[in-house]
Amino acid sequence: DIVMTQTPLSSPVTLGQPASISCRSSQSLVHSDGNTYLSWLQQRPGQPPRLLIYKISNRFSGVPDRFSGSGAGTDFTLKISRVEAEDVGVYYCMQATQFPWTFGQGTKVEIK
Amino acid sequence: QVQLQESGPGLVKPSQTLSLTCTVSGGSISSGSYYWSWIRQPAGKGLEWIGRIYTSGSTNYNPSLKSRVTISVDTSKNQFSLKLSSVTAADTAVYYCARESLRSERGGMDVWGQGTTVTVSS
Repeated sequence: DIVMTQTPLSSPVTLGQPASISCRSSQSLVHSDGNTYLSWLQQRPGQPPRLLIYKISNRFSGVPDRFSGSGAGTDFTLKISRVEAEDVGVYYCMQATQFPWTFGQGTKVEIK
Repeated sequence: QVQLQESGPGLVKPSQTLSLTCTVSGGSISSGSYYWSWIRQPAGKGLEWIGRIYTSGSTNYNPSLKSRVTISVDTSKNQFSLKLSSVTAADTAVYYCARESLRSERGGMDVWGQGTTVTVSS
């Protein structure tokens, strides 16, 4: 299985300040079709996960532009340019390049 | 828009079979543009992908659960289902159904159910 490792596991952030989450995969996530199926999900307290970013850097419909994704190969990053109160929750990276699909352990974003 | 809703028993005895159904509303499960997935999350822990099914009935399962899992689809009812046999306390979790896009958002789980809590206990 591809192991997804996120850092940090907890990120206390001041409102209006940026936040960054790293996700590293144990193998390259480049698919044989040339795409990289790395996505980011947000899980607010008591809610199901919600898709934020797909294929490394594409924002899903309705996702604010303060969220951005970047990276390639085995190293990926989710950035929140200015954290708002509604961004509190746990963020997961997920790979859908090689079966079984796997998730990172999650990074908890909280307000200082 | 498409919505997913999980249903099934909240309590299952050890060694028995967990059975859950996900009902799709606002769209057809027979659309060829999506896979239909099950994911679980033990309390306070991370997400585990269980498996997925295409409208044709083609499935992919997590090898860690493959010997115990069956995912099926009923297009006439716009539903897909999960069966997990020989359950133990380790299978206690919130179970989510989700839609995996094959369109431009390929690889992204773009619609999720609210989740249903299943406890394995005698």
